[in-house]
Amino acid sequence: NAGVTQTPKFRILKIGQSMTLQCAQDMNHNYMYWYRQDPGMGLKLIYYSVGAGITDKGEVPNGYNVSRSTTEDFPLRLELAAPSQTSVYFCASSPPGQGWTYNEQFFGPGTRLTVL
Amino acid sequence: GENVEQHPSTLSVQEGDSAVIKCTYSDSASNYFPWYKQELGKGPQLIIDIRSNVGEKKDQRIAVTLNKTAKHFSLHITETQPEDSAVYFCAASIGRGSTLGRLYFGRGTQLTVWP
Repeated sequence: NAGVTQTPKFRILKIGQSMTLQCAQDMNHNYMYWYRQDPGMGLKLIYYSVGAGITDKGEVPNGYNVSRSTTEDFPLRLELAAPSQTSVYFCASSPPGQGWTYNEQFFGPGTRLTVL
Repeated sequence: GENVEQHPSTLSVQEGDSAVIKCTYSDSASNYFPWYKQELGKGPQLIIDIRSNVGEKKDQRIAVTLNKTAKHFSLHITETQPEDSAVYFCAASIGRGSTLGRLYFGRGTQLTVWP
C-alpha cells in the first residue's frame, strides 16, 4: 500500500490564483481530513469527510472547498489564493471507530504552498 | 471547541536522559489523546495514544500518563537517542456528535537529543 499520497509537494501561487491540492489513500479508509500547519501553531483542521459525498467544516475552512466523490480521493480547492494561505497542508485518513473508540490517523507527506 | 496547550515548545536533552512533554486540555468531554512525532519534511506519525478510561500506557521507551481530574496528559521518553529528535504533538478528541473523530492539536515541542 502507498498509504496517503499528496501532490504536488511544493507550489508557488500568485495572489488571486486558484489550485487544487490532491490527496488519495489506498487503505479503504472512510474518514479523510485536511489540515494546515503554520510554524509554531500545530495543525488546524480545515475540512473533513466521513465518507463519499459527505464533507464538513473544521476549525479554519474559510477560503477552501472540498469534495469527496470517491472513498479514495479528497481534493482541497483554493479559490483566490491569499498570502494568509501560505502554509504546509497535510491530508490524513483513518478507518472509522466503533462506538466511542478511535483509530489512528495516517498522514500524507504534505504540500508546501507559498502565495506571493 | 477544545483548546490544547503544550509545553515546552523546545526541549534539549543529552542522549540517555529522559524527556517529558506536558499538555492540558479544556473540554472534559475529550476522551482520546494521541501523540504524534513529526520528522523534518514528513507528515506526523502516531507513536502512542491513550483513552480516557486508562491512566497510563507504556510502549518500550515511551509512556503516556493521563490525569482526567486535572485535564492534563504527558509524554515520557526514557533513554533518549539522537533519532528521537523531532517535533512532537499532543492532541485531544471530543467523542460526541459532529465532532466525533476530530483532533485538536497542541502547538508542538521540538525535541533535540544531543549525542
